[in-house]
Amino acid sequence: DVKVTQSSRYLVKRTGEKVFLECVQDMDHENMFWYRQDPGLGLRLIYFSYDVKMKEKGDIPEGYSVSREKKERFSLILESASTNQTSMYLCASSLGRDSQETQYFGPGTRLLVL
Amino acid sequence: DAKTTQPPSMDCAEGRAANLPCNHSTISGNEYVYWYRQIHSQGPQYIIHGLKNNETNEMASLIITEDRKSSTLILPHATLRDTAVYYCIVRVHTGNQFYFGTGTSLTVIP
Repeated sequence: DVKVTQSSRYLVKRTGEKVFLECVQDMDHENMFWYRQDPGLGLRLIYFSYDVKMKEKGDIPEGYSVSREKKERFSLILESASTNQTSMYLCASSLGRDSQETQYFGPGTRLLVL
Repeated sequence: DAKTTQPPSMDCAEGRAANLPCNHSTISGNEYVYWYRQIHSQGPQYIIHGLKNNETNEMASLIITEDRKSSTLILPHATLRDTAVYYCIVRVHTGNQFYFGTGTSLTVIP
């Protein structure tokens, strides 16, 4: 079974803090993704990565950055957290670049920015 | 990307089949239909996907109409653990993005 883990299930941070969200997958997947999920808005793609040290912007990259130093790990960074970044953050991974790749999701991190 | 339309909510009696519909009238010929579900406060879980043929796995069956403009996810014997939000997604041709809408909230009733 594919396993995608995220470093925290719940996180509380203050405005202006730097926040790191970590995601690890154990299936040697090429692709990794970060989404945020908000009520009424569905999932929105923040960033994704096709390979180590490679990143691509998704639909809403503003206020976020990412890091992929190792194939199994994809980190999402909030350089200076703001209250509008309070959300559920979901990491996903998929095997390769085929157009019908299935994405497997982690359990999510619920972030509250005060 | 093709858009999908799903009813916002449905109920199903425990032990009965749950049939969840999805309309995707603008689907392109090479786009797949995916189904995921999300149990409260957890990450989305992959269920099944298909292109034009009906598909079945250990979790569910997927019926796609011949014109591919709609599909139905069937949970053959719903249990209380199947209570979740179910998302029907049409996969964009380029890139790897999944666009989740608001889905159908399925409640399985004892």
